[in-house]
Amino acid sequence: EVQLVESGGTLVHRGGSLRLSCEASGFTFSLYDMSWFRQTPGGDLKWLSFISASGDRVHYSDSVEGRFTVSRDNARGSLFLEMNSLRDDDTNIYYCVRQTSGFFDLWGRGTLVTVSS
Amino acid sequence: VLTQSPGTLSVSPGERVALSCRASQYLGNNVAWYQQRPGQSPRLLIYAASTRATGIPARFSGSGSGTEFTLTVSSVRSEDFAIYFCQQYSYWWTFGQGTRVEV
Repeated sequence: EVQLVESGGTLVHRGGSLRLSCEASGFTFSLYDMSWFRQTPGGDLKWLSFISASGDRVHYSDSVEGRFTVSRDNARGSLFLEMNSLRDDDTNIYYCVRQTSGFFDLWGRGTLVTVSS
Repeated sequence: VLTQSPGTLSVSPGERVALSCRASQYLGNNVAWYQQRPGQSPRLLIYAASTRATGIPARFSGSGSGTEFTLTVSSVRSEDFAIYFCQQYSYWWTFGQGTRVEV
């Protein structure tokens, strides 16, 4: 089955760190650009980071630049998001998403990150 | 900025609905539409403004170019009650705030 499965979301203290993982299956992971998104409790979808298929290009939104790091392991079919200096407004559902020519054709089920003092 | 209207649309099964997405800048046809059912992740419906994604029923159609885009559902079914988002991919990647289609 073609799918993406995120993991790693949990309750974390303000200022803490967390690493999210995404396992891909059913397709050739190494051929696809990937992105991380998050969705606020109000439902807004926000793009966070991009990584090219080979991993040689990465981009970040202003809201996470310098705090989050995206990486991938094509041999394992895995995508990662390292999150540091977490703030209250980082509390969201985080999605791993496959990207094709600018649009997003496969979404994971999401993993919930809750930042609390 | 993508502005979707209306915020909420109340319809009955079998009705035709049209959802609007207006862009603050010229996008060509670099617009996609997604459906998000309660408790689920978004699902791609339309890309390149009017091309249906794999497996999407023919009752879903997209139109428009430039700054005005429309998603039309020709005859709403029970499983179509959801939130619909437009997304542009001309200038990085941003989403509209969504239109909720409810009974």
